[in-house]
Amino acid sequence: GAGVSQSPSNKVTEKGKDVELRCDPISGHTALYWYRQSLGQGLEFLIYFQGNSAPDKSGLPSDRFSAERTGGSVSTLTIQRTQQEDSAVYLCASSKSQAGDLRGEQFFGPGTRLTVL
Amino acid sequence: GENVEQHPSTLSVQEGDSAVIKCTYSDSASNYFPWYKQELGKRPQLIIDIRSNVGEKKDQRIAVTLNKTAKHFSLHITETQPEDSAVYFCAATPYSSASKIIFGSGTRLSIRP
Repeated sequence: GAGVSQSPSNKVTEKGKDVELRCDPISGHTALYWYRQSLGQGLEFLIYFQGNSAPDKSGLPSDRFSAERTGGSVSTLTIQRTQQEDSAVYLCASSKSQAGDLRGEQFFGPGTRLTVL
Repeated sequence: GENVEQHPSTLSVQEGDSAVIKCTYSDSASNYFPWYKQELGKRPQLIIDIRSNVGEKKDQRIAVTLNKTAKHFSLHITETQPEDSAVYFCAATPYSSASKIIFGSGTRLSIRP
């Protein structure tokens, strides 16, 4: 079946512009995660959604970052006034949580490579 | 704050030998420890996970051990093969919690032919 998809796959923008990244999770997955991965680095947790709500936003690097999820499906990550240090691959993952918000295997999307000039 | 340390950052082993990657965590509430494998240019994929009610879990050539008292867990790969070459990430999180998931910094494993 269809996996997690993300768009765009690549985004080049100028410093100071806003960008919006999209994630389509696997159908039926109620949990959705955003991560940032800089070149050759680890996975930096940004935010987690259970349904439409985000219980913990403390992973967002600054107030220029925001995310939302509507209808319990698609999520968008918005970065305002982009800076060069925002350049990275932004990965989305979803999982089929069981009762409550129990964690399960995360399925990752292909990522969006963001380059801020 | 919460932290997961992963060692070594790079590891090179001869094909057929074993590889061990170690992680320590700081949040005593963590009770779910997944391991992800990321091949070059690809997305991370779960290879094995363990919950704190067990001390060891095996899946063919891969095993994970957990020491809750010492707050460390390890990934063991036996009879390594070229396709095991990848970056491996450990993570720690409370299983039933909405809190963030903390990943280790990754280990780049290279298998020498």
